[in-house]
Amino acid sequence: DIVMTQSPDSLAVSLGERATIHCKSSQSVLYGSSNKNYLAWYQKKPGQPPKLLIYWASARESGVPDRFSGSGSGTDFTLTISSLQAEDVAVYYCQQYYSPPPTFGPGTKVDI
Amino acid sequence: QVQLVQSGAEVKKPGASVKVSCKASGYTFTGYYLHWVRQAPGQGLEWMGWINPNNGATNYAQQFQGRVTMTRDTSISTAYMELSGLRSDDTAVYYCARESNGGFHFWGQGTLVTVSS
Repeated sequence: DIVMTQSPDSLAVSLGERATIHCKSSQSVLYGSSNKNYLAWYQKKPGQPPKLLIYWASARESGVPDRFSGSGSGTDFTLTISSLQAEDVAVYYCQQYYSPPPTFGPGTKVDI
Repeated sequence: QVQLVQSGAEVKKPGASVKVSCKASGYTFTGYYLHWVRQAPGQGLEWMGWINPNNGATNYAQQFQGRVTMTRDTSISTAYMELSGLRSDDTAVYYCARESNGGFHFWGQGTLVTVSS
């Protein structure tokens, strides 16, 4: 199985400041023939289901604010929240869907 | 609009089984794989398996092999996840999620399963 790691475990960011979360996969999730990275990011708030933010490593899901962006390729990825809002307090998970089983990172808690 | 509506919370005794349903609407049920993911209290997201509603094919996570069964009823656009031999560490919120074009774009609201004697 592909193992996903995230850093940091948690971070506190002031309102309006940038939050950066890192995700690393134990093997590349870049599919050569399509040049797509099989990597997604989710936001999880208590009492709510996970919400897809980013797929294909950098494609923003419809309706997701443009302060959320994803980057990276191969084994190293980043989720950036450019200007943290109060409603962004949540746990963020990366997920690879390159190779079954799909696996999630352990999560990064973002707080104010 | 796409909706996945799950069945209500369950309380089960150790050793029992639980069957959670996930009713899909707003799209062609047989057109997309459905996955089941759970989150135990204070823990992360754990993938359990998927079902192809078109033909009923399944793929289960190794840690659930022999205990989980995923089925579907295409006549009512509903998928089911049954977990047997429940233990206290199966206490979790169980989600169904629809896969499409990279990632899980739609999720059910979650079903809390509590295992307690």
